[in-house]
Amino acid sequence: AQTVTQSQPEMSVQEAETVTLSCTYDTSESDYYLFWYKQPPSRQMILVIRQEAYKQQNATENRFSVNFQKAAKSFSLKISDSQLGDAAMYFCAYRSARRREDSNYQLIWGAGTKLIIKP
Amino acid sequence: DSGVTQTPKHLITATGQRVTLRCSPRSGDLSVYWYQQSLDQGLQFLIQYYNGEERAKGNILERFSAQQFPDLHSELNLSSLELGDSALYFCASSGTGASPLHFGNGTRLTVT
Repeated sequence: AQTVTQSQPEMSVQEAETVTLSCTYDTSESDYYLFWYKQPPSRQMILVIRQEAYKQQNATENRFSVNFQKAAKSFSLKISDSQLGDAAMYFCAYRSARRREDSNYQLIWGAGTKLIIKP
Repeated sequence: DSGVTQTPKHLITATGQRVTLRCSPRSGDLSVYWYQQSLDQGLQFLIQYYNGEERAKGNILERFSAQQFPDLHSELNLSSLELGDSALYFCASSGTGASPLHFGNGTRLTVT
């Protein structure tokens, strides 16, 4: 069974600096998708970025980028020029790409990392 | 706006009561997922429906049930409510393959 591990329960960063959140996963599959979700104090769940495992190029969305190391099964999130609005819980998630007869495409979630932005 | 609509936003009810949470998925999404999130906890997967049929079950209590209707909206029924059921309940929808889950804003349930 697949697992997702976020080893940092909490991280803090000075406003305008860069921070990296770690995520590792375990799977025997070769094709899958990885996601980072953000949950601010409003408790909405917001998709930040996603990565297809078959793509070697790291995904980027404005100030958010990932470092995807498939062999190491690592999927870290880098936030550049941190802003106060980035303060949130960040969840890493895994989803199999295998076509499933039961149409079960649920995500496997990490426990989350709380990101604190210091003004 | 994720395109997923959940109602109501807030519910306050007493122990022993029954409530129904409603979710309308994004247009075109066939899968609906229900999650429970207690305070300062991660997401607990409850159940998934795909095009009207149950596809996966997580840690859903027997007091809880769900269904997905022909128009693809879904309802989560919680009965014999206990104080520990107080939580944020999320609905999410997705397509297949690379499609991520898109979440509604959640229903905050308070059991007193």
